[in-house]
Amino acid sequence: GAVVSQHPSRVICKSGTSVKIECRSLDFQATTMFWYRQFPKKSLMLMATSNEGSKATYEQGVEKDKFLINHASLTLSTLTVTSAHPEDSSFYICSARDRRQHYEQYFGPGTRLTVT
Amino acid sequence: GQNIDQPTEMTATEGAIVQINCTYQTSGFNGLFWYQQHAGEAPTFLSYNVLDGLEEKGRFSSFLSRSKGYSYLLLKELQMKDSASYLCAVSSSGAGSYQLTFGKGTKLSVIP
Repeated sequence: GAVVSQHPSRVICKSGTSVKIECRSLDFQATTMFWYRQFPKKSLMLMATSNEGSKATYEQGVEKDKFLINHASLTLSTLTVTSAHPEDSSFYICSARDRRQHYEQYFGPGTRLTVT
Repeated sequence: GQNIDQPTEMTATEGAIVQINCTYQTSGFNGLFWYQQHAGEAPTFLSYNVLDGLEEKGRFSSFLSRSKGYSYLLLKELQMKDSASYLCAVSSSGAGSYQLTFGKGTKLSVIP
């Protein structure tokens, strides 16, 4: 089956530093990847849609200069949280859509970010 | 905009049947998904409905009525491991990328 990996699974960083999270589709090519964040006991909120070879589309209220997304290849998208603050602490989850399908998204295992 | 509503919490007994409802309002409807999410983990795919009717897959079934903007997930022969959050998500094609909008999730507790 389709597998999506994320790295790292957990990260702790200090305020003001930047953190990069990688999302990889391991056995399929993904023209589109999605980045979500999830606060405790809340649902997933779409942050941005990442298309290979083009600029990401950000949802309303998501700062594109703070959450930098790069989708450089058909199997890799990265999310960089710049100048992190404690309020950025959250569970970040990526998903990828197989280029051969139109509907199903395969989710990565998530990255727990804690900013101290 | 899109609005997805599902109950916050439910409790059911091991071996029983439970139905989790989801109502939605959306434009450019392109299907409805149910995902299971255990605490601290990513969602795992359970079902996908794009046409009206019931889709059965083992102990789990999902129903969709597009005219009513309504879906339910039916879990039979409940097991303790079914304790999790169940997320209803609607796919829309408005942005051309088939984005998913998630409901807040229903936390299901299965008790002995």
